Amino acid sequence: GQQLNQSPQSMFIQEGEDVSMNCTSSSIFNTWLWYKQDPGEGPVLLIALYKAGELTSNGRLTAQFGITRKDSFLNISASIPSDVGIYFCAGPTDSNYQLIWGAGTKLIIKP
Amino acid sequence: GAGVSQTPSNKVTEKGKYVELRCDPISGHTALYWYRQSLGQGPEFLIYFQGTGAADDSGLPNDRFFAVRPEGSVSTLKIQRTERGDSAVYLCASSPSGFYNEQFFGPGTRLTVL
Repeated sequence: GQQLNQSPQSMFIQEGEDVSMNCTSSSIFNTWLWYKQDPGEGPVLLIALYKAGELTSNGRLTAQFGITRKDSFLNISASIPSDVGIYFCAGPTDSNYQLIWGAGTKLIIKP
Repeated sequence: GAGVSQTPSNKVTEKGKYVELRCDPISGHTALYWYRQSLGQGPEFLIYFQGTGAADDSGLPNDRFFAVRPEGSVSTLKIQRTERGDSAVYLCASSPSGFYNEQFFGPGTRLTVL
């Protein structure tokens, strides 16, 4: 079945550094969604991508929809302490309501 | 306005017991989802309601799991004869229409089965 693979699994970075993470699949997706989950909270949608090659920004976050439609990238510039959390990619199944999720990339900022 | 709320926030139970987890969606949202999230994993789809009916319950792992939404608002996820493997965070999300990119998540209920 469809699967999303996220890397890296976790990242230790210094405040102020730029961050890159990605999500890949063996299947084609027509939409890529990026979420952030803080401890004890549910995921919150950060960026949605709907078109191959699309590059979309939301503040310090930039996400790209890979041209093959089998991958997506999320970049965070000039990281700050509140960026700590788990970042998930997700994509829709053949239905218009169900999502498949990656296992997440955990972002940790070194003190 | 108020977001999605879930109660209890934490539930500890013994193997074999019955538990109920409650979800209060955002007012006016017709669609409601339940997910299960194990440690180190993304959310895993369990069931999707449109109004009062379960439009898709294909993610429920077995017949010990059941969910209801009798008046099209509050939903209850029921787990019978709990097993240690049921330990996870159970997330609820609601959506104004059901479209996949319009889901608003609650904080989850952390279930621990001893």
